[in-house]
Amino acid sequence: KQEVTQIPAALSVPEGENLVLNCSFTDSAIYNLQWFRQDPGKGLTSLLLIQSSQREQTSGRLNASLDKSSGRSTLYIAASQPGDSATYLCAVTPGNQFYFGTGTSLTVIP
Amino acid sequence: ETGVTQSPTHLIKTRGQQVTLRCSSQSGHNTVSWYQQALGQGPQFIFQYYREEENGRGNFPPRFSGLQFPNYSSELNVNALELDDSSLYLCASSLNSGHTDTQYFGPGTRLTVL
Repeated sequence: KQEVTQIPAALSVPEGENLVLNCSFTDSAIYNLQWFRQDPGKGLTSLLLIQSSQREQTSGRLNASLDKSSGRSTLYIAASQPGDSATYLCAVTPGNQFYFGTGTSLTVIP
Repeated sequence: ETGVTQSPTHLIKTRGQQVTLRCSSQSGHNTVSWYQQALGQGPQFIFQYYREEENGRGNFPPRFSGLQFPNYSSELNVNALELDDSSLYLCASSLNSGHTDTQYFGPGTRLTVL
């Protein structure tokens, strides 16, 4: 069974700092990996989707990389802002369902 | 904000009761997936519906069942509610099945079982 782990579980940084969130998965046979953002008590917002044949995707201040062979992905956030405070989740799919990590709770301090 | 809507927003039930949650998919999407998210955990896949047929199921008992209608909206039904069913229930719609497309999530329904 696919296991998805996210480290760290929580992170607190001052505004303006660049940061990296990590996601690892145990089975490299995946179709894609998605990064999501979740605000407290709310649904998930898709940030980036990386297909298994891709190495990275960028959107604005966000950059996600994928190393399928090692079972790892990183989400890089540049010049963090207080509005980036949320829980960030990664999810992988081998084709039959999505498997989510437990998330990294990010707090950006003004 | 996505075009996926869910109702109700919050719901309180007692143990043993039955509940129905509803989801309207984003326009043009024919696939709906349901997830259960316990506090502090990542979402767990319940099942997916594609063109009115169940198309994959996670590790949930049969008392979790669903429907998808011709307009691709969907219902999640849970019978014989247990205290551990208290969670945020999320639905997500996508353009196609196969779990290869971006999923767009609704705001969720918070279910509390007393």
